[in-house]
Amino acid sequence: DAKTTQPPSMDCAEGRAANLPCNHSTISGNEYVYWYRQIHSQGPQYIIHGLKNNETNEMASLIITEDRKSSTLILPHATLRDTAVYYCIAALYNFNKFYFGSGTKLNVKP
Amino acid sequence: GAVVSQHPSRVICKSGTSVKIECRSLDFQATTMFWYRQFPKQSLMLMATSNEGSKATYEQGVEKDKFLINHASLTLSTLTVTSAHPEDSSFYICSARPAGTGSYEQYFGPGTRLTVT
Repeated sequence: DAKTTQPPSMDCAEGRAANLPCNHSTISGNEYVYWYRQIHSQGPQYIIHGLKNNETNEMASLIITEDRKSSTLILPHATLRDTAVYYCIAALYNFNKFYFGSGTKLNVKP
Repeated sequence: GAVVSQHPSRVICKSGTSVKIECRSLDFQATTMFWYRQFPKQSLMLMATSNEGSKATYEQGVEKDKFLINHASLTLSTLTVTSAHPEDSSFYICSARPAGTGSYEQYFGPGTRLTVT
């Protein structure tokens, strides 16, 4: 499975967009990019996933570069409740083992 | 939808005893469930993959005789920590992947905090 690299922490002002980058330069053609977040002492929460095309749902947007070596998770209007550790994971779609990296701690500030 | 529960949420046990943790998918069937362990201020570490009706597959370095996994039905997997020691104290999290939907995301339980005294 491809290894992912994320900045250890980021700050974001409440109400502004939060853009969380992820590098997955060794991703293979049949690996999806998944994003999850973990609020303190809880299980991770699914956010979004994609293969090649950009994706959007009610929580976030996922932008994947054309060469698929990196992606960005966008929370359009961050709230204090979005403060969490965000994990980017590359995994085979049909086998689906998740190897978590260290993630990005997003601090949303008032 | 896609809710996964774990029981118990917290457990304290004495060194040398065994502890069973249950993971249930409440509103979907899951042919595959996963078990993770998370130490304080660290990321989740995959321990094993559990497939309904077959033996679990353990990640390298995880003792299969210490961490017994049973996936007896499409909605239940159990993790038994045998002869627990203080170093087994951790946050144990399960996840489940919905079966037959073409959906490949995993849904995680709330976690079980194990403290071994």
